Amino acid sequence: EVQLLESGGDLVQPGGSLRLSCAASGFTFSNYGVSWVRQAPGTGLEWVSSIGTSGYSTYYSDSVKGRFTISRDNSKNTLYLQMNRLRAEDTARYYCAKHVGAGLIVDAFDIWGQGTLVTVSS
Amino acid sequence: DIVMTQSPASLAVSLGERATINCKSSRSVLNTSRNKNYLSWYQQKPGQPPKLLIYWASTRESGVPDRFSGSGSGTDFTLTISSLQAEDVAVYYCHQYYDTPLTFGGGTKVEIK
Repeated sequence: EVQLLESGGDLVQPGGSLRLSCAASGFTFSNYGVSWVRQAPGTGLEWVSSIGTSGYSTYYSDSVKGRFTISRDNSKNTLYLQMNRLRAEDTARYYCAKHVGAGLIVDAFDIWGQGTLVTVSS
Repeated sequence: DIVMTQSPASLAVSLGERATINCKSSRSVLNTSRNKNYLSWYQQKPGQPPKLLIYWASTRESGVPDRFSGSGSGTDFTLTISSLQAEDVAVYYCHQYYDTPLTFGGGTKVEIK
């Protein structure tokens, strides 16, 4: 079964850091781009970042650029999101999502994890 | 940024009736060289992650019931549920992947009348 499983969400103080992980299984992880998408409580979906198959190509939303870093370890079938200088407005459930087409750095998302909750509050 | 505007924000439809959701992009998401619209639709039920329904504006994802269909090109798109079922109660989002930042519509909540 194709699956994504996020972890690492927590309560953190403003200005703090957190690293999210997303473990992939059931498909050849290294063949697909993957992304992070977040959803603040009671609101809609917001794209955060995407990464290509090798990890060299990355994109970020303006709201996280310079604070968040996306990376992947294809040997561990795992996607990461390093989140620094966290703000209250980063509070959200963070989903990792697999791209539909092999090799595409931007694409629709066909597989989503259940998400991990990040709360930024003092 | 490409702004995605969905309408209506909410929709109440009787069981078995048609539901139509519109999505307008602030600029074209059609790649003319590939003749593909970089537009997808998702369904999200409470407490669940989004589920892909449609990509390339009209290609139904595997396993999605054929009562769901997508249409449109350029800047104007539609998701149609031909005969609403109780399990279709959810929020629906359109999404453009033509250009970064990738953007989503604000969502349309579909309920039973």
